[in-house]
Amino acid sequence: GAVVSQHPSWVICKSGTSVKIECRSLDFQATTMFWYRQFPKQSLMLMATSNEGSKATYEQGVEKDKFLINHASLTLSTLTVTSAHPEDSSFYICSASESSGGVNEQFFGPGTRLTVL
Amino acid sequence: DAKTTQPPSMDCAEGRAANLPCNHSTISGNEYVYWYRQIHSQGPQYIIHGLKNNETNEMASLIITEDRKSSTLILPHATLRDTAVYYCIVMGSYQLTFGKGTKLSVIP
Repeated sequence: GAVVSQHPSWVICKSGTSVKIECRSLDFQATTMFWYRQFPKQSLMLMATSNEGSKATYEQGVEKDKFLINHASLTLSTLTVTSAHPEDSSFYICSASESSGGVNEQFFGPGTRLTVL
Repeated sequence: DAKTTQPPSMDCAEGRAANLPCNHSTISGNEYVYWYRQIHSQGPQYIIHGLKNNETNEMASLIITEDRKSSTLILPHATLRDTAVYYCIVMGSYQLTFGKGTKLSVIP
């Protein structure tokens, strides 16, 4: 099956710093990538959807200036958490889909655990 | 996308079939039923999906009722590694909306 990687797998940072998380589709071209956030004992919440070469679409309540998403190529999307605070500590998961529309399964990365001190 | 209802937890003996139910009574004609699972601290893993016919792959079988208002995911011979949270998702567009899922515990 299709493989999606994330880097780093975990990161600890100081409050106020920015953290960049990379999501790569290793063996397919991902027209669409999704970013999710998961707090402990809760389900995944979609943060934003990004299509290659265009601006990301953010879900309601997600600050686009705080969570910067770049999808510059068909195999790479990045999520930058700017001026991170302890409440941003969470498990961030990306997924990738080969098609920009229609029904296709999404392939998920292994997740990145962010801890903000 | 239609909402789904799943039991919060289930137990299954190792080696036995695990049958995970899902209700999606408001599903519309063009919406698919997807199943994913999430093992602790990992990203979700795709299992199977279907529209109205029953489906089977190397991981599981998906049984969808004729009226499409419910479905059952079947793991034919559960192993300890199948312990995870299983999510049933109805998807008509390209977005997945995760509910709380069913926490399946496979017991030795």
